[in-house]
Amino acid sequence: DTEVTQTPKHLVMGMTNKKSLKCEQHMGHRAMYWYKQKAKKPPELMFVYSYEKLSINESVPSRFSPECPNSSLLNLHLHALQPEDSALYLCASSQPSRGTYEQYFGPGTRLTVT
Amino acid sequence: GDSVTQMEGPVTLSEEAFLTINCTYTATGYPSLFWYVQYPGEGLQLLLKATKADDKGSNKGFEATYRKETTSFHLEKGSVQVSDSAVYFCALKHGANSKLTFGKGITLSVRP
Repeated sequence: DTEVTQTPKHLVMGMTNKKSLKCEQHMGHRAMYWYKQKAKKPPELMFVYSYEKLSINESVPSRFSPECPNSSLLNLHLHALQPEDSALYLCASSQPSRGTYEQYFGPGTRLTVT
Repeated sequence: GDSVTQMEGPVTLSEEAFLTINCTYTATGYPSLFWYVQYPGEGLQLLLKATKADDKGSNKGFEATYRKETTSFHLEKGSVQVSDSAVYFCALKHGANSKLTFGKGITLSVRP
């Protein structure tokens, strides 16, 4: 099973709202990632958690706040977003110690900020 | 730093045509190489991978060979179908603690 699940599938929020994106995997992977993808562009890395600790933050604005409650779950808390934050948000996971380091992606959350 | 270059798109083919999508990379050592596919409205799916020189990755009729001498990982399929219409990303990764570096992606449209 190579499934990563994400909820919700779609989210519309105003600039003053607070919302959260959720990601879950049951592959026993110990690295989890958040990416942002704009239309017709490759994904851009936002955050990496390795063994439940934040290991990479790609200078993402503080209105995005990641959280890794346990090895299977990854959340992205959103607050005071801007319209330019509208995008597809992808979660991914991988096994840090396995040879090829391939990442498995979820279906994404399509976020619209109004 | 690492980089991946993909041929310019979009690409439009007729069903059953032969497909080649070029991908070259710049990196030190021996990165792992990947092709990901993104169907409309979906996330990325790992299509195939290769970890060392001369490795051939294959899946769903697609193939790509890791060519160290030409730093390339071109994607090929002998007979495309309408259902192969998607965006294809070439990517590399250098190890557990490195980033996945993507090419710009190329849109493939297959007409009946």
